Amino acid sequence: GAGVSQSPSNKVTEKGKDVELRCDPISGHTALYWYRQSLGQGLEFLIYFQGNSAPDKSGLPSDRFSAERTGGSVSTLTIQRTQQEDSAVYLCASSLARRELSEQYFGPGTRLTVT
Amino acid sequence: KQEVTQIPAALSVPEGENLVLNCSFTDSAIYNLQWFRQDPGKGLTSLLLIQSSQREQTSGRLNASLDKSSGRSTLYIAASQPGDSATYLCAVGTGANNLFFGTGTRLTVIP
Repeated sequence: GAGVSQSPSNKVTEKGKDVELRCDPISGHTALYWYRQSLGQGLEFLIYFQGNSAPDKSGLPSDRFSAERTGGSVSTLTIQRTQQEDSAVYLCASSLARRELSEQYFGPGTRLTVT
Repeated sequence: KQEVTQIPAALSVPEGENLVLNCSFTDSAIYNLQWFRQDPGKGLTSLLLIQSSQREQTSGRLNASLDKSSGRSTLYIAASQPGDSATYLCAVGTGANNLFFGTGTRLTVIP
């Protein structure tokens, strides 16, 4: 079956512009996660969705970052007024409902470059 | 806050050698621990998931162990191959809704 997919694979944008990154989780996975991997740093948690519950936004670095998940499936991560420090690879993952027992499966990521 | 450390940061071995990658974490109250590999420019591939109640998991040439009380996990790779060259990441799942990742070990297997 299909894995987690993300689009675009690469995005170059000018400082100050808004960007939208998309994630399609594995069918049937109700949990969805966004992470960020900056150059030379580990993966940093951004946000978590579980079914229809309110998302856990505790990892979002600023109010320029937001995310939505429509219909419990596709998610969009939006970065407003991008800054150069937003340049990173943004990774999406999904897992089955019971996160304590479930593996997270990752997409290929979107490489964002802010010039 | 959970902190995850991986040692060494980089490792280079000749093909055929057995090797061990180390992962340590500061808070032993974990749900599970997951090992991933990441190839350059690619996403993460899940290798093994160990639940907190388990001691080890095996998949092919890979064996991961977990000692929760001491905050350690090891990933053992038997008979290494050039195709094993990648960055290996350890991540722990806690009461928070996310995984805490180490910064990885970059493995190079020399033919």
